[in-house]
Amino acid sequence: GAVVSQHPSWVICKSGTSVKIECRSLDFQATTMFWYRQFPKQSLMLMATSNEGSKATYEQGVEKDKFLINHASLTLSTLTVTSAHPEDSSFYICSARGPTGELFFGEGSRLTVL
Amino acid sequence: AQKVTQAQTEISVVEKEDVTLDCVYETRDTTYYLFWYKQPPSGELVFLIRRNSFDEQNEISGRYSWNFQKSTSSFNFTITASQVVDSAVYFCALSEHYAGGTSYGKLTFGQGTILTVHP
Repeated sequence: GAVVSQHPSWVICKSGTSVKIECRSLDFQATTMFWYRQFPKQSLMLMATSNEGSKATYEQGVEKDKFLINHASLTLSTLTVTSAHPEDSSFYICSARGPTGELFFGEGSRLTVL
Repeated sequence: AQKVTQAQTEISVVEKEDVTLDCVYETRDTTYYLFWYKQPPSGELVFLIRRNSFDEQNEISGRYSWNFQKSTSSFNFTITASQVVDSAVYFCALSEHYAGGTSYGKLTFGQGTILTVHP
């Protein structure tokens, strides 16, 4: 079946550095992907909608200059956390919309900023 | 605005007990999709069910069953004869209907219910 892969699964970085997380649809083309953020013991909150070939649409309250999203191909969307700080530590999950409407989630990426 | 409420923060049961996880939603859309996901400690989301707002039939899949009642805006999930492997966080979620809509797939999640099944 369809698979969405995220990389890296976990990353530790120093405060002030930037981190890139990749979300790939492995066996289908995804014109639309979504990025969610989940704090420990909390729910998933939608951050942005990533559209292939166009700018991402950010949810209210999400800093677009902080969380850069690029969807340069039909199988890859990237989320870059710029100048990361400890409060950015979280679990980031992507999902991709399949050709017939199914939603496929990646395994998630756990970011820890020291 | 869409909203999903899972009033039960945590549920603890003993193996073989039946357990029902409640989900109540709010939406102004006349067509929409409802979902249930399981999130084990590893973190990945495991898809359990997607239900179209037009289809109010209850569904059973093995030990899992779902009761969708549009009149009360509820989409409850029951696990029959629970097992230790059912221990996880369960999320109910809501999305605008597909129908070519660009917003489909933007999920509004409930707060989640932590289910612990003791041996």
